[in-house]
Order: sequence, then structure tokens, then C-alpha cells
Amino acid sequence: DGGITQSPKYLFRKEGQNVTLSCEQNLNHDAMYWYRQDPGQGLRLIYYSQIVNDFQKGDIAEGYSVSREKKESFPLTVTSAQKNPTAFYLCASSASGATEAFFGQGTRLTVV
Amino acid sequence: QQQVKQSPQSLIVQKGGISIINCAYENTAFDYFPWYQQFPGKGPALLIAIRPDVSEKKEGRFTISFNKSAKQFSLHIMDSQPGDSATYFCAANTGSNYKLTFGKGTLLTVNP
Repeated sequence: DGGITQSPKYLFRKEGQNVTLSCEQNLNHDAMYWYRQDPGQGLRLIYYSQIVNDFQKGDIAEGYSVSREKKESFPLTVTSAQKNPTAFYLCASSASGATEAFFGQGTRLTVV
Repeated sequence: QQQVKQSPQSLIVQKGGISIINCAYENTAFDYFPWYQQFPGKGPALLIAIRPDVSEKKEGRFTISFNKSAKQFSLHIMDSQPGDSATYFCAANTGSNYKLTFGKGTLLTVNP
């Protein structure tokens, strides 16, 4: 089945530790995105990538980093510089020239 | 600056009733307006979308109404069912930009 796989579904980390969230897609999509979802805040764009080896900051990139070494993969690292990292993180992808974004099932990160 | 404003924040409807969710946008360059449906613990999924060259689009019980002059669009759910209970997000983007700008979401509860 084609789709987007995010892992793990739940992640717990201690404050001050970096953590990497995985996102893999087998839809052959060029563009990939990371969104953060907080209650009552909607979806806010962290980073996006339109092509391999290239990515751009979204609206709330501070404290996050990404890489795009392969078309299928777009991992997100939540660094210790992110002041409030506890949230639901969503990865998405879209085909080149298309507007529909397909989302993964999300990773709920809790930092204690 | 919030570019897509969504209301209401929450909505309770009786089974069989009509659910109406409204969105307003500011950027006149937006030319694609999707609605996403999200169930708890899951990623959002595209429900229905419209472009500004039409004023209405209907898919089953779901209808988007679009008012270009007022820069507003709305989602109508006819004959609402308990299974429609979810969070609904409106969004917008431009054809030349992969990024979707989301509203803050509406939590819909349909009582049996």
C-alpha cells in the first residue's frame, strides 16, 4: 500500500535531548512537509522540501532541523533549542505540481 | 498574521442536521481551497477542495460554497452523522507555492 509512514507513534524524551522523528513515503512524491499541531492552533509549517537535497524554513523553524538525502525520507530533528517541543507532529507529501497533500498518522512527542 | 481565519472553534449538531464551518482569507493570490478532516490520533485527510472559478462544489453530503468577492468559503455537511464527528480544517495555497496555510480547526460533534 502506498502512503506515508511516521515512526514512532509515541515518543518520550527528557528535556535537553535532541530527538529525530522519522517520515518515509512510497508515493514517489517530490515535495515533503513537516507540520506541528497544538490544540486550538491548527497546523503550523515547520520545514518543507520540494526536491532532494533542498529544503526551506516554514513559519516555525526555530529549534528544528531537517535533511532530505533521499526522495522517500524527510526526518525531523527536534533540538534542545526548541522551547516547547511537546506536540503532535505531522509529515505530509505532495506530487510535483499538485496541490493535494497526503498526511502520515503523526508522532506525538512528549518532553518531560 | 493569520492568513486563514476559521470559525467556529467548536460546533455541536444533532444527527440529521446541517453543519456549517466558515473560513475567511486575506491573500488574494490564493487559488486552491481544500478542507481536511481529522479523526483523533490520526493525520488529516483531504475531504473536498475548490478553486475560485466556481462558486460551489458538492461531493455527496459535503458542499463547499465560495465567495471570491468576500474572500470567504464555507463547508456545509448535510444530514450530519455521528461518524462525521471530527476536527475540520480549511486551508489555502497558491498554484506556485507548495505550502498550505491552515485555519485553526473546528471540532465538530454530532450527537445521535
